Amino acid sequence: QKEVEQDPGPLSVPEGAIVSLNCTYSNSAFQYFMWYRQYSRKGPELLMYTYSSGNKEDGRFTAQVDKSSKYISLFIRDSQPSDSATYLCACARNYGQNFVFGPGTRLSVLP
Amino acid sequence: NAGVMQNPRHLVRRRGQEARLRCSPMKGHSHVYWYRQLPEEGLKFMVYLQKENIIDESGMPKERFSAEFPKEGPSILRIQQVVRGDSAAYFCASSPRGQGVGGNNQPQHFGDGTRLSIL
Repeated sequence: QKEVEQDPGPLSVPEGAIVSLNCTYSNSAFQYFMWYRQYSRKGPELLMYTYSSGNKEDGRFTAQVDKSSKYISLFIRDSQPSDSATYLCACARNYGQNFVFGPGTRLSVLP
Repeated sequence: NAGVMQNPRHLVRRRGQEARLRCSPMKGHSHVYWYRQLPEEGLKFMVYLQKENIIDESGMPKERFSAEFPKEGPSILRIQQVVRGDSAAYFCASSPRGQGVGGNNQPQHFGDGTRLSIL
């Protein structure tokens, strides 16, 4: 079993839809949870990071962590074509140390 | 991804040659991380370095791969005697020293990667 699992998609939604992206993880020692966005031929760009369980909101993005079920989510409201990218979740035991990434979910927002 | 500079962006090598990938971290960052990304797979951690020290190399293959981050100059990921299976995108990330929880600081800034192709 991989430490971090993620549905690879692709996921296609119409512009304006609410997008839900999810990951599950197996290592209960993970405390830091990140979501990265990666455009084609580019490096990952950090969108959100959270510590332990809870919600965090930043503009159109909301990250949720449920440590009891080892489940993390990223919601994108009012999705735009520019949101079309691969979304990677990442988990870490200690802040600043090596992250364990999921394989990424490819999202297409259709105009 | 301005700030973390990786070069070359594309590198082509024949089997058996050596590949050197360079990473200059963001200004003020003293921690460097190397990751490998294969098609349809997520980023796989390889090695974590601080200036002149390897902190964690648990993700590095035991043979042919080495990394350094000298006092002066960029971090180098070196692959000797490359094989077809080494073809991948290699990403470098950097972070500041002693970064704490909270605030709006990004834990790791990534470069745009070096795409290595082995003929």
